[in-house]
Amino acid sequence: DQQVKQNSPSLSVQEGRISILNCDYTNSMFDYFLWYKKYPAEGPTFLISISSIKDKNEDGRFTVFLNKSAKHLSLHIVPSQPGDSAVYFCAARRSMDDKIIFGKGTRLHILP
Amino acid sequence: ETGVTQSPTHLIKTRGQQVTLRCSSQSGHNTVSWYQQALGQGPQFIFQYYREEENGRGNFPPRFSGLQFPNYSSELNVNALELDDSALYLCASSLRTGTMGYTFGSGTRLTVV
Repeated sequence: DQQVKQNSPSLSVQEGRISILNCDYTNSMFDYFLWYKKYPAEGPTFLISISSIKDKNEDGRFTVFLNKSAKHLSLHIVPSQPGDSAVYFCAARRSMDDKIIFGKGTRLHILP
Repeated sequence: ETGVTQSPTHLIKTRGQQVTLRCSSQSGHNTVSWYQQALGQGPQFIFQYYREEENGRGNFPPRFSGLQFPNYSSELNVNALELDDSALYLCASSLRTGTMGYTFGSGTRLTVV
């Protein structure tokens, strides 16, 4: 049972343009949503999060949007840079038990 | 402030053997979670430890077991290794009451032959 779904295994975006990574979830008990970035041979690193009571959170070039009624969130990266090429994992947690559930990831390629 | 460190970084074992993976938590973190990441998949939750007690378990058989020590470091033990256990094993530490995400180690790449 995949509670967090990332339906696009990969995405290619031109440098300087906007990258949009999408994520859907099924469990309405999640109260935080997170995005992690992973380079090869490294562990995932925390990028940005959003509480379920908000619909937008922005941090520099990264913005996460949450649509609770659609159980959908997205990560926007603008402008995209070569160093953004990595695998991005969408994740969700319930603060009541501190566990984080991950999606399968989307590999982002930033093209020169 | 040190991050999360895992050892060893790579390991090759034979089917049927046992393995112990180790993790040192980030300073100040009291919760450790272990994840298995198979090739092309997202990290799958194995179990979590909080103050030396298991605090939840994913869909993994009992041959996957763990420990958390008073200094919050942790071990993951896998008995009777199977070929499908080949994966990247990630340890992550966090604060039990924190609202931010985990801090992950770089993982141990286990290959079972």
